[in-house]
Amino acid sequence: AQSVTQLGSHVSVSEGALVLLRCNYSSSVPPYLFWYVQYPNQGLQLLLKYTSAATLVKGINGFEAEFKKSETSFHLTKPSAHMSDAAEYFCAVSDLSNTGKLIFGQGTTLQVKP
Amino acid sequence: DTGVSQDPRHKITKRGQNVTFRCDPISEHNRLYWYRQTLGQGPEFLTYFQNEAQLEKSRLLSDRFSAERPKGSFSTLEIQRTEQGDSAMYLCASSLGLEGNTDTQYFGPGTRLTVL
Repeated sequence: AQSVTQLGSHVSVSEGALVLLRCNYSSSVPPYLFWYVQYPNQGLQLLLKYTSAATLVKGINGFEAEFKKSETSFHLTKPSAHMSDAAEYFCAVSDLSNTGKLIFGQGTTLQVKP
Repeated sequence: DTGVSQDPRHKITKRGQNVTFRCDPISEHNRLYWYRQTLGQGPEFLTYFQNEAQLEKSRLLSDRFSAERPKGSFSTLEIQRTEQGDSAMYLCASSLGLEGNTDTQYFGPGTRLTVL
């Protein structure tokens, strides 16, 4: 069965510092992977997705993620954190069936300190 | 494109009551999903519609839960005889359905259910 694990339920960085949010996946076949962001009282918004076209995926708001098959990882990074990046981030993998349903990790709350 | 909307945003009910939530997907989106999110957890899949057909239900969806999507437009999720364990955020998402498992799902703001 597909699954994702997000290491670290809370990450705190200073404004301007590198953001690194970790996600490892488990899949018997090449996976399709997603990162979503959830701001308070809002729905989830797609940051980026990996669909096997390119291993380095660029998303919105300056985020990017690199698919590393050897490490079964899809970590999310941003070179310089902004206060507005404070939110909860979810890594997800698409189910093997053709439904497109997503299997989410537990989420990582990003705190950005001034 | 007005996005996915959900109604109500908050619902407080007493144990044993029935509740119904509504989701309006983005127009022309063929696929519609319901997820449940509890505090500190990621969303968990509940059920999926392709147009008006409900094609998959999670084992999380007990007999007390029922979902419909008449005419392939809006969807409703009903919970009968609510229990305190049903307290959660119920999220709806829709997608075009043209890219299979790589489709982008667009999420609504959710309905937060509190069962007293």
